[in-house]
Amino acid sequence: AQKITQTQPGMFVQEKEAVTLDCTYDTSDPSYGLFWYKQPSSGEMIFLIYQGSYDQQNATEGRYSLNFQKARKSANLVISASQLGDSAMYFCAMRESRGGSNYKLTFGKGTLLTVNP
Amino acid sequence: ETGVTQTPRHLVMGMTNKKSLKCEQHLGHNAMYWYKQSAKKPLELMFVYSLEERVENNSVPSRFSPECPNSSHLFLHLHTLQPEDSALYLCASSQDGRGDNEKLFFGSGTQLSVL
Repeated sequence: AQKITQTQPGMFVQEKEAVTLDCTYDTSDPSYGLFWYKQPSSGEMIFLIYQGSYDQQNATEGRYSLNFQKARKSANLVISASQLGDSAMYFCAMRESRGGSNYKLTFGKGTLLTVNP
Repeated sequence: ETGVTQTPRHLVMGMTNKKSLKCEQHLGHNAMYWYKQSAKKPLELMFVYSLEERVENNSVPSRFSPECPNSSHLFLHLHTLQPEDSALYLCASSQDGRGDNEKLFFGSGTQLSVL
C-alpha cells in the first residue's frame, strides 16, 4: 500500500487565484511529520512547509498553508495568489518515527502545477 | 556557495563504464542522503549516512556504491549499470537525520543516462 497518495497528476490554475493540492497518507505511527516540497524544472527539491502530527494548528509559510485533517489522514497544500513562478512539480512527503532511527522520508508521486497568465 | 552542490549535472555512460557522482553540502549538517527519481515513480531513498556512518541501505544493487569520507561530502560510485538505472539522482542533507520535523535540503541532481 502506498504511504503517500497524491491523486492529481496535474493541476491548472489562473494567476492570482488559490489552488489546493491533495495529499493523503497512511501510517499507524502516532508521531510523524508531513512535508511539502516544490521541484521546478531545474531539478532541485525546495522545502515549502512542515506539519507535525501533534501540531494543533495548521502550518503556514507565506503564501503556503497546509490543511491538516488528522482524522482523514490528509495534508493538502494550499497556495494562495498563484504566481507564474509557482509552476512546478509538488511533492508531499512523510517522515515516520521508528524508535531511535527515523531517517526515511517517503514521497508521493507528485502533482504538476501549471499557472496560466 | 549554494547549500547542496551536485556534480556533474548531466552524465551519459555506457554499461561497462565506471563513474562517480559527487555531492557537497555547505550547511554544517551531519546526515546525507542519496535518492533516485525515475519518471512517473516516487522518489526512492537509496542510502543514508549519519556522522559518516551508513545507517540505511534501501536494498540497492551492488552496482551502486556510496562513500562518505566526511560529513560534507558524499559520493555515489557507479559501475556496470543497466539502462533502467537512468534517472535523476538527488543528494540531500539534514541536521542529523533523526527528527520527525527535520527537513532535507536537496541539490539540483545529476541526470544520468545509461546507454
